[in-house]
Amino acid sequence: DAGVIQSPRHEVTEMGQEVTLRCKPISGHDYLFWYRQTMMRGLELLIYFNNNVPIDDSGMPEDRFSAKMPNASFSTLKIQPSEPRDSAVYFCASSSGTEGTRVTYEQYFGPGTRLTVT
Amino acid sequence: GESVGLHLPTLSVQEGDNSIINCAYSNSASDYFIWYKQESGKGPQFIIDIRSNMDKRQGQRVTVLLNKTVKHLSLQIAATQPGDSAVYFCAEIFNDYKLSFGAGTTVTVRA
Repeated sequence: DAGVIQSPRHEVTEMGQEVTLRCKPISGHDYLFWYRQTMMRGLELLIYFNNNVPIDDSGMPEDRFSAKMPNASFSTLKIQPSEPRDSAVYFCASSSGTEGTRVTYEQYFGPGTRLTVT
Repeated sequence: GESVGLHLPTLSVQEGDNSIINCAYSNSASDYFIWYKQESGKGPQFIIDIRSNMDKRQGQRVTVLLNKTVKHLSLQIAATQPGDSAVYFCAEIFNDYKLSFGAGTTVTVRA
């Protein structure tokens, strides 16, 4: 498996523009997570899905952020309108939830998308 | 070399020495802990995990120790190598599958 795939790897946009980040989880994984990483706040969980259904979006900063998972192999994180304070590295991660009969919480991270909003 | 909690976020260690990275977690109800390694420009990579019913778990060159009494977690790396230079995060689970990450410790290996 190629691991978690994210695109684009880098995005530079102007304030006010819409930004869409994309993620393809590892095949067979039932859980998908979106994180944001900044120097000031570290790694923050934004939202996670189980079987394509959003379970917890309490980490989403505000209504400008939205996430969807239309099918098991694709998810998007959208920011509209973008602001300079949204500049960060956004990670997608996936997890199978089980390892044989054992519950596992191990999450596999993608390479991230570095977003710069000017 | 040894770092303490989140107040000393850097650790410099001589190649070949053992490293100890410490982490204080916040929630006494947490029942699962993970250590991740993040190299520059990459996503975090799983190292080792431990459940709250264990005190110690060993992997390849790494050992995680859990002290629930003082809510303390440590990662020991044996015979530290240049490839171990990275930021190391501890993370805890206290609610479903939500991982809560610490601030991270930057480990630099001196040749």
